[in-house]
Amino acid sequence: DAGVTQSPTHLIKTRGQQVTLRCSPKSGHDTVSWYQQALGQGPQFIFQYYEEEERQRGNFPDRFSGHQFPNYSSELNVNALLLGDSALYLCASSYPSGRGSTDTQYFGPGTRLTVL
Amino acid sequence: QKEVEQNSGPLSVPEGAIASLNCTYSDRGSQSFFWYRQYSGKSPELIMSIYSNGDKEDGRFTAQLNKASQYVSLLIRDSQPSDSATYLCAVTTSGGSYIPTFGRGTSLIVHP
Repeated sequence: DAGVTQSPTHLIKTRGQQVTLRCSPKSGHDTVSWYQQALGQGPQFIFQYYEEEERQRGNFPDRFSGHQFPNYSSELNVNALLLGDSALYLCASSYPSGRGSTDTQYFGPGTRLTVL
Repeated sequence: QKEVEQNSGPLSVPEGAIASLNCTYSDRGSQSFFWYRQYSGKSPELIMSIYSNGDKEDGRFTAQLNKASQYVSLLIRDSQPSDSATYLCAVTTSGGSYIPTFGRGTSLIVHP
């Protein structure tokens, strides 16, 4: 049973550039959430995708956008990168709505983004 | 603002001891509670979930929930050096949003 996968593992960008991160959910999951985790902090919710639409969004600027594909995989895009965007970006998937444990998040390995 | 509070630590315990990790939350309507373990440089790994008041045991781990006191804890019995990690508490609040709010985590060090 494949778990949540993310790519790339590490990424180095410069200020002002754009980045795209990718995620494939755990088998059987249809909901994907993205989190940003700065050093020494807990994960902060960016947004959640379900049925190819953004269902909920956290307190992040419009520079952060996403997409979900018909196969439930997802992308996170960040435009006009700032130094403060340097963090571990985590993708989490969860069970289909309507079943139990829809709020149990299973995390992928993360993408470490460094902005110089 | 819904908040989840954890002591950042580090909490240092000797091998074989019981480690007690605590978490408080602000939203009385919170419904689901999770503990994750995160090794340095890795992603969070789900340890346990708890939904009702009382204790829930899984191997060496016991989660305790007290909704009246808005308090959830994680006990690790027979602590091992491999348990050294940051433990994140996460709480899903009312309204059916299914989005957990995370604490900043408690660093646990188990020394031989």
